[in-house]
Amino acid sequence: DQQVKQNSPSLSVQEGRISILNCDYTNSMFDYFLWYKKYPAEGPTFLISISSIKDKNEDGRFTVFLNKSAKHLSLHIVPSQPGDSAVYFCAASGLGGGADGLTFGKGTHLIIQP
Amino acid sequence: DAGITQSPRYKITETGRQVTLMCHQTWSHSYMFWYRQDLGHGLRLIYYSAAADITDKGEVPDGYVVSRSKTENFPLTLESATRSQTSVYFCASRGAGNEQFFGPGTRLTVL
Repeated sequence: DQQVKQNSPSLSVQEGRISILNCDYTNSMFDYFLWYKKYPAEGPTFLISISSIKDKNEDGRFTVFLNKSAKHLSLHIVPSQPGDSAVYFCAASGLGGGADGLTFGKGTHLIIQP
Repeated sequence: DAGITQSPRYKITETGRQVTLMCHQTWSHSYMFWYRQDLGHGLRLIYYSAAADITDKGEVPDGYVVSRSKTENFPLTLESATRSQTSVYFCASRGAGNEQFFGPGTRLTVL
């Protein structure tokens, strides 16, 4: 059973607009969440993270929101740029801080249209 | 080169052969991980290691063996490759923070 779900396999957004990528989780023991960006033929690159004690974390154009009661997080990219076109993975770790690995969603392919 | 490297980047082998994928990191991170990425599955954890000589199974360990005699190296061996092990393999390391840093991946094809 999938513990981290990204229900949108792909998302198309116009350049300059906001991109919103969503992620749901089922395991209440998850307490740290991360977003990774992946280009073809490259490894995933860490983007931004959030601890379960927070509900928002911002880094430049990227903001992650966490709603613990709904077990839902989202990544907002404002404004969207052509270089943002990539696959985005949501990941979660338990109380060990990911020492025993991360649990990933299946990814969302973001396409930024000119 | 600083960071985390994987070799080979591409490998084609035949069913039943032994294959070893290499992973090397220069950060002296304690934690290292192996994931596989398959269409429709995202990344799944194969094995992880908390330090030299300490390894443990992840979600999908069957058919794989790991070792960690040195902190900087974490090789993954497929003892008898099967077609179902055709995948892209990513090695990662983690330092004091929660973030994991990934290598460029090895694309393995088992014929």
